[in-house]
Amino acid sequence: KAGVTQTPRYLIKTRGQQVTLSCSPISGHRSVSWYQQTPGQGLQFLFEYFSETQRNKGNFPGRFSGRQFSNSRSEMNVSTLELGDSALYLCASSLLTGTQETQYFGPGTRLLVL
Amino acid sequence: TQLLEQSPQFLSIQEGENLTVYCNSSSVFSSLQWYRQEPGEGPVLLVTVVTGGEVKKLKRLTFQFGDARKDSSLHITAAQPGDTGLYLCAGARNSGYALNFGKGTSLLVTP
Repeated sequence: KAGVTQTPRYLIKTRGQQVTLSCSPISGHRSVSWYQQTPGQGLQFLFEYFSETQRNKGNFPGRFSGRQFSNSRSEMNVSTLELGDSALYLCASSLLTGTQETQYFGPGTRLLVL
Repeated sequence: TQLLEQSPQFLSIQEGENLTVYCNSSSVFSSLQWYRQEPGEGPVLLVTVVTGGEVKKLKRLTFQFGDARKDSSLHITAAQPGDTGLYLCAGARNSGYALNFGKGTSLLVTP
């Protein structure tokens, strides 16, 4: 089975721009979670989608948004980029929703904001 | 606020040494997971512990969940260069949808 794939792998943007990141979960998985990883804060939860519905949201500003499509693929969008948004953005999928499910992580998208 | 505190933050040891990494919290978790992350990759699940006092072994790695389900430890015996990576603990709650991660322990094992 193919793992979680994320595109693009690397991205450079400038302040004020917006960016869209994509995540394709493992086939058959219906839950997709997004995390931001930085050296200072570690992994922080952004949001989780299950069957196209946002089930939970972390403590991030409204500039961070996401959606899930009927095929379970998910996208996250960051508008009006700030320097502090530079991070590794990780997507994880699981068969069902809830933290008792094993989450499988993709390789991440490394975003650099200049 | 970081719910899970990991220590040490960095660890550099020689091949063959033993080490222990700690993951502590004042919160109770229904389960705790340990991940290893290598540069340029996402975290990979090593183990999930769910019962207070539980001990799980994975070859040279031994994981323990505290009796009160607030803390955990990872012990590596006879470390090898292939063990190098970032070790992350993550706590799960029954009613939650998000894992709470510690900041990780960066381990370097030199030959």
